[in-house]
Amino acid sequence: AQSVTQPGIHITVSEGASLELRCNYSYGATPYLFWYVQSPGQGLQLLLKYFSGDTLVQGIKGFEAEFKRSQSSFNLRKPSVHWSDAAEYFCAVGGQNNDMRFGAGTRLTVKP
Amino acid sequence: DAGVIQSPRHEVTEMGQEVTLRCKPISGHDYLFWYRQTMMRGLELLIYFNNNVPIDDSGMPEDRFSAKMPNASFSTLKIQPSEPRDSAVYFCASSSIRDRGSYEQYFGPGTRLTVT
Repeated sequence: AQSVTQPGIHITVSEGASLELRCNYSYGATPYLFWYVQSPGQGLQLLLKYFSGDTLVQGIKGFEAEFKRSQSSFNLRKPSVHWSDAAEYFCAVGGQNNDMRFGAGTRLTVKP
Repeated sequence: DAGVIQSPRHEVTEMGQEVTLRCKPISGHDYLFWYRQTMMRGLELLIYFNNNVPIDDSGMPEDRFSAKMPNASFSTLKIQPSEPRDSAVYFCASSSIRDRGSYEQYFGPGTRLTVT
């Protein structure tokens, strides 16, 4: 069965610092991978997704993620964090049957 | 498109009462998902439909929960009777493979349910 692990539950970074959120997945076939962001009181918004092709994918708001099959990872990165990036971030894995499993989420706090 | 619409946005009810949550997916989407989010358990998939047919309801916690999709533009999640441990935010999401070949799920704003 597919599963997603996000090791960091709560991360704090300073504004302007770089960010990397980790995601490891378990899936028996070629996975479809996603990162979603949830602001307080809001639904989930897709940041980026990987289906195939270039393993480095660009998303909205300056985020990118790299798929590494050998490490079963899909880590999210941003070179310079803005205060508005404070939110909860979810990694998800899915397959061709369209079911999706989400990680536990990582809550990001941005210090001024 | 207005996106996925959920109602009500907030619901407060007493234990034992019936609760009905509603969802209108994005027009043309053929998959609909119901999720529950709590601090303790995170985001859980409860059930999903394809072309109005339930495909996987293994995430439905117990018989008190039921979901229906009578047509392509409407779905309900019902809890009867409700219990305090059902308090959570319930999200509806929809998707379509025809949408650029993507499995991206579009989420509604959620319904915050409080059972006292």
